[in-house]
Amino acid sequence: GAVVSQHPSRVICKSGTSVKIECRSLDFQATTMFWYRQFPKQSLMLMATSNEGSKATYEQGVEKDKFLINHASLTLSTLTVTSAHPEDSSFYICSARDNYGASQYEQYFGPGTRLTVT
Amino acid sequence: QKEVEQNSGPLSVPEGAIASLNCTYSDRGSQSFFWYRQYSGKSPELIMFIYSNGDKEDGRFTAQLNKASQYVSLLIRDSQPSDSATYLCAVRMDSSYKLIFGSGTRLLVRP
Repeated sequence: GAVVSQHPSRVICKSGTSVKIECRSLDFQATTMFWYRQFPKQSLMLMATSNEGSKATYEQGVEKDKFLINHASLTLSTLTVTSAHPEDSSFYICSARDNYGASQYEQYFGPGTRLTVT
Repeated sequence: QKEVEQNSGPLSVPEGAIASLNCTYSDRGSQSFFWYRQYSGKSPELIMFIYSNGDKEDGRFTAQLNKASQYVSLLIRDSQPSDSATYLCAVRMDSSYKLIFGSGTRLLVRP
């Protein structure tokens, strides 16, 4: 089956620093990847849609200058949280859509990255 | 009004019973509907999806879709303690393939 990995799985950083999270599709090509954020006891909130070779599309209320997304290849998208603050502490999850797969409806989720900003 | 609504629960059922989870959505143009299971601290895993009115069965799981009433449900037969998790309903509303998630229903299956 389609596998999506994320790195790192957990990261602790100091306030004011930047953190990069990688999302990789391991056995399929993904022209579209999605980034979600999940606060404790809340649901997944879509942050942005990452498109290979073009600019990401951000959801309303998400600061594009704070959450930098780069989708430079068909298997890798990165999310950089710039000048992180404690309120950015959350569970960040990516998903990828296999454009050429049998199921056009399915998104494959990565295992998530737990970010803690101290 | 939230776009995708679920009762937060917890829904508590005894082992072996049928668990019924419900979800309503606001956009009549929604195209496909997904049920995910999420264990604490883990990312969601897809249980099943449905896009046509009626029932769709997969093992112990049955998804039911009623577009006229704008609801989708998930039935879990012969519930097991390992089914205890949060169940997320997600809706794809347009051709962009973005998913909008409900807040999830926590299911507890008592041994």
